[in-house]
Amino acid sequence: GQQVMQIPQYQHVQEGEDFTTYCNSSTTLSNIQWYKQRPGGHPVFLIQLVKSGEVKKQKRLTFQFGEAKKNSSLHITATQTTDVGTYFCAGRAGGYNKLIFGAGTRLAVHP
Amino acid sequence: DGGITQSPKYLFRKEGQNVTLSCEQNLNHDAMYWYRQDPGQGLRLIYYSQIVNDFQKGDIAEGYSVSREKKESFPLTVTSAQKNPTAFYLCASSIAGRGSSYEQYFGPGTRLTVT
Repeated sequence: GQQVMQIPQYQHVQEGEDFTTYCNSSTTLSNIQWYKQRPGGHPVFLIQLVKSGEVKKQKRLTFQFGEAKKNSSLHITATQTTDVGTYFCAGRAGGYNKLIFGAGTRLAVHP
Repeated sequence: DGGITQSPKYLFRKEGQNVTLSCEQNLNHDAMYWYRQDPGQGLRLIYYSQIVNDFQKGDIAEGYSVSREKKESFPLTVTSAQKNPTAFYLCASSIAGRGSSYEQYFGPGTRLTVT
């Protein structure tokens, strides 16, 4: 079945360093969504990418969707302690709003 | 105040007992979902429903059952047939529709422990 692989599993950075997480799908995706889950919390939607090669920015966060629509990345510039949490990508499968989630990347930021 | 509620936050059960987790939303969403999250893993889809009185199995439906009698409610029953029921269960909802994706809104989750 369709799989979405996400790396790295964990990332520890010093505050102010950059951070990137990558997602790769075994099949072409219709679109990809990104969610953030704070420790002890629930996933919260960040953004959706739909077009091939699309790049979107939210303040210090940059999201990219690959040209082949099989991979995506999330880059955080100059991390802050508020960025701590697990970041999940989720690709859409099939004709309905059924998402396949990556395993997530847990980000720890040391002050 | 619109949102999704799940109760209880923590639930403890003895092995062999069925347990039902509640999920209620007042977002007027047609689609609802149940996910299971285990430590260090992503979200795995248990069941989803696109409309009242209809639901489909997700990737790990064995040992679980659901009902969708009302638009607002999508309870999940963890049966005694589920071999490893201890996990964090998340309910979500979204606008339903083919040909596009919509963001999913998640509830706070229920942490189930079975001993």
